[in-house]
Amino acid sequence: GAVVSQHPSWVICKSGTSVKIECRSLDFQATTMFWYRQFPKQSLMLMATSNEGSKATYEQGVEKDKFLINHASLTLSTLTVTSAHPEDSSFYICSARAENGRGELFFGEGSRLTVL
Amino acid sequence: GESVGLHLPTLSVQEGDNSIINCAYSNSASDYFIWYKQESGKGPQFIIDIRSNMDKRQGQRVTVLLNKTVKHLSLQIAATQPGDSAVYFCAEEAAGNKLTFGGGTRVLVKP
Repeated sequence: GAVVSQHPSWVICKSGTSVKIECRSLDFQATTMFWYRQFPKQSLMLMATSNEGSKATYEQGVEKDKFLINHASLTLSTLTVTSAHPEDSSFYICSARAENGRGELFFGEGSRLTVL
Repeated sequence: GESVGLHLPTLSVQEGDNSIINCAYSNSASDYFIWYKQESGKGPQFIIDIRSNMDKRQGQRVTVLLNKTVKHLSLQIAATQPGDSAVYFCAEEAAGNKLTFGGGTRVLVKP
């Protein structure tokens, strides 16, 4: 089946640094990718919709200058947490939908960010 | 905004029994619903989906029921196994292709 890969799976960084998380669709092309954030024992909250070749669409309350999203190709979207602070520590999950589909959404395994 | 919610945060079930997880949704425009399973430290895993033109769909050991009249979705797991222990989320999708997740239900399978 379709696979979405995230890297890194976990990262620890110092406060004030920036961290980039990659999301790749391994065996299909994804016009649209989604980035979610999940705090412990909570649900997934959509942060933004990443569209290949255009600017991401951010959900209300998500700072676009804080969470930079780039979707430069049909198989790769990146989320950069800029000037990370401890409150940015969370589980970040991406998902991707096949190019022609409004079908199944495939999720990555998530990236756990810990900001010290 | 619109939201998807669950009735029970935790469900304990005896191994071999059937599990029923419920979900209420509020966006009447939603036409696609999905159940996901999430194990600790992992991403959501697709279980089963259903479109609004159906009221029941069956998979392997799982059944999803959709009641559009009362905006209710349920997931039934037959013969629950230890490997079914996880958090289960319902999700809904409406125009714009954005998926909205419910609050989650933790299922604990007792041996």
